[in-house]
Amino acid sequence: EAQVTQNPRYLITVTGKKLTVTCSQNMNHEYMSWYRQDPGLGLRQIYYSMNVEVTDKGDVPEGYKVSRKEKRNFPLILESPSPNQTSLYFCASSPRLAGEPKQYFGPGTRLTVT
Amino acid sequence: RKEVEQDPGPFNVPEGATVAFNCTYSNSASQSFFWYRQDCRKEPKLLMSVYSSGNEDGRFTAQLNRASQYISLLIRDSKLSDSATYLCAVKGDSWGKFQFGAGTQVVVTP
Repeated sequence: EAQVTQNPRYLITVTGKKLTVTCSQNMNHEYMSWYRQDPGLGLRQIYYSMNVEVTDKGDVPEGYKVSRKEKRNFPLILESPSPNQTSLYFCASSPRLAGEPKQYFGPGTRLTVT
Repeated sequence: RKEVEQDPGPFNVPEGATVAFNCTYSNSASQSFFWYRQDCRKEPKLLMSVYSSGNEDGRFTAQLNRASQYISLLIRDSKLSDSATYLCAVKGDSWGKFQFGAGTQVVVTP
């Protein structure tokens, strides 16, 4: 089944404790992206990747890191989480950006930082 | 000012009625436009792309007005299952960057 998976789905952690949210897609998509969703603000793009070893900042990259060592995986790293990073996070992938860049989203990771 | 704006609603719609709502964007160089559907904080799912000439997919019609910088979504013959939040998405002129609106909530009532 073609899908984007994220782990963990739910996470409660404390300020400053490094964490990684994994994202994996089995559709051989070149493009992957991370978003956070907060009430009233909609989806905001954190980082994106056009292909392996190619990443770039979205609109809200502060406090996050990413890597793209393999085509299928695009982990999101929070080196020192803070309470303002409490949010619902979505990973997405797309086959290509030329033409119609249709994004497929993972199920989301609900993160709470206390 | 947000780059992509939507009326949050809710739009309360009787079953069988038609509802329409817009999404405005500020970057005139934006290239691609989409409508996504999101149920109860689950993952967004692509509903349809929006083409310059307008396009239909069953009961859904999307329009793009580049001069006034907005896209619209019209739902005909609303079903209870159409109750959801509809997000507009805009791909700007920078490779890989997308902006989403905060969503318009639609509630279809019996």
